[in-house]
Amino acid sequence: GENVEQHPSTLSVQEGDSAVIKCTYSDSASNYFPWYKQELGKRPQLIIDIRSNVGEKKDQRIAVTLNKTAKHFSLHITETQPEDSAVYFCAASRPGWGKLQFGAGTQVVVTP
Amino acid sequence: DAGVTQSPTHLIKTRGQQVTLRCSPKSGHDTVSWYQQALGQGPQFIFQYYEEEERQRGNFPDRFSGHQFPNYSSELNVNALLLGDSALYLCASSFLRGEQAKNIQYFGAGTRLSVL
Repeated sequence: GENVEQHPSTLSVQEGDSAVIKCTYSDSASNYFPWYKQELGKRPQLIIDIRSNVGEKKDQRIAVTLNKTAKHFSLHITETQPEDSAVYFCAASRPGWGKLQFGAGTQVVVTP
Repeated sequence: DAGVTQSPTHLIKTRGQQVTLRCSPKSGHDTVSWYQQALGQGPQFIFQYYEEEERQRGNFPDRFSGHQFPNYSSELNVNALLLGDSALYLCASSFLRGEQAKNIQYFGAGTRLSVL
């Protein structure tokens, strides 16, 4: 079945710097790749997603890139702010599937 | 417009007991998925319900069962609770009907289950 690996497990950045989180997936049939942000004690919140027919998508300070050949996708956060501190999860899904296969998460800490 | 709501927020049970968790999807959504999130891990897919039927299931034993009602709300039932069932149980809703169908899932705040 699908396996999603996420790196790094923790990431500390200075406010204003960029943060990059990388995920690899095993199922070449996967075509949908969302990213969720989960603050302590809160629900996972969808922050951006990408489908396999595009290579990059951007929303303000957040961008996601997808390399289908290498089967990896990345989240890029620019100009980080303390409120970006949270656990970030990547996920992958096949067409027509309900299941989202999640990575193990990345704890991002932005220090002022 | 209400988002995904879950109840209860916290629950404490003992081994061997049974538990029922409830979820109301986001307005306009017709599909409910359930996930188990152990501490420090990513959510693990349990199953998804659409048109009142289990549409897809993850690697969870038959002790985990569910139901979807005509109003699209859903229940997750866990029988014969084990200590290892202690986790945050998340419900996510999405829209699967028709040409606008997409698997964009929005999560509720979860139910924290503790099994003693």
